[in-house]
Amino acid sequence: SQQGEEDPQALSIQEGENATMNCSYKTSINNLQWYRQNSGRGLVHLILIRSNEREKHSGRLRVTLDTSKKSSSLLITASRAADTASYFCATFKAGAGSYQLTFGKGTKLSVIP
Amino acid sequence: DGGITQSPKYLFRKEGQNVTLSCEQNLNHDAMYWYRQDPGQGLRLIYYSQIVNDFQKGDIAEGYSVSREKKESFPLTVTSAQKNPTAFYLCASSPDYASGVLNEQFFGPGTRLTVL
Repeated sequence: SQQGEEDPQALSIQEGENATMNCSYKTSINNLQWYRQNSGRGLVHLILIRSNEREKHSGRLRVTLDTSKKSSSLLITASRAADTASYFCATFKAGAGSYQLTFGKGTKLSVIP
Repeated sequence: DGGITQSPKYLFRKEGQNVTLSCEQNLNHDAMYWYRQDPGQGLRLIYYSQIVNDFQKGDIAEGYSVSREKKESFPLTVTSAQKNPTAFYLCASSPDYASGVLNEQFFGPGTRLTVL
C-alpha cells in the first residue's frame, strides 16, 4: 500500500509565486525524501529530512516535517517555469532488514510564465 | 560522464512476448533497483539487488525476472506472465543498500514499454 499521499494532485501557479505541496503518511517513519520528475524522465533527489528534524532548507526549497501529524510539506519559493514537474515524497521505515522506499502518487506542478 | 543509462527509451512488443530492459551504471554502486510507474501513480518496487549475484523480490515481482552478473548491469525481463506490462520502468542505484534510503537513490531516464 502507498505510504505517502501528496496533496494536491495538481497545482498551477504563476511564475514568481510560491508553491506548497503536502505529503501525508500512515505509520511512523525514519526519514522522508522528496524527488522531482520532469515529464517522461527519471526522478531526481531534492532533499531528505530525518524524523528528528523539523525543517530543512536547500536553495529555494524548504521542507518541514510534523511527525505528530504524520505529514511533510515542500515549499518552492519564487517559482520558475523550469520548476514545472511532478514532485514525489518517499518514506522509509526501518524494519526486518528492509530498506525500501515507499513513494506517494505525486503532485503535478505547473508554473505559468 | 557518470550516471545510469536505460535502453531503449521506448519499446513496443506484442502480447505474449518476453522483453528485456537494459540498465547500466558507471557510478560503482553496489545496490540497484527496478521500479514500475503507472500514469498518475507513484513508483512501485519490482526487484532490487544489494550486490553482484544477489537480488530480492520487491512488492510487485510477479511476471518479472532479473539478473545481476556484473556490478554495472541489472537487466529486467518482463515475461508473458505479467498481466499488464504496459508502463514506465525506472532503474535506480545507490552506493549501498542502506544509503538508498538513508541518503538518496539515483535514477535512470526510464523506458516506456507498450504492449500491443
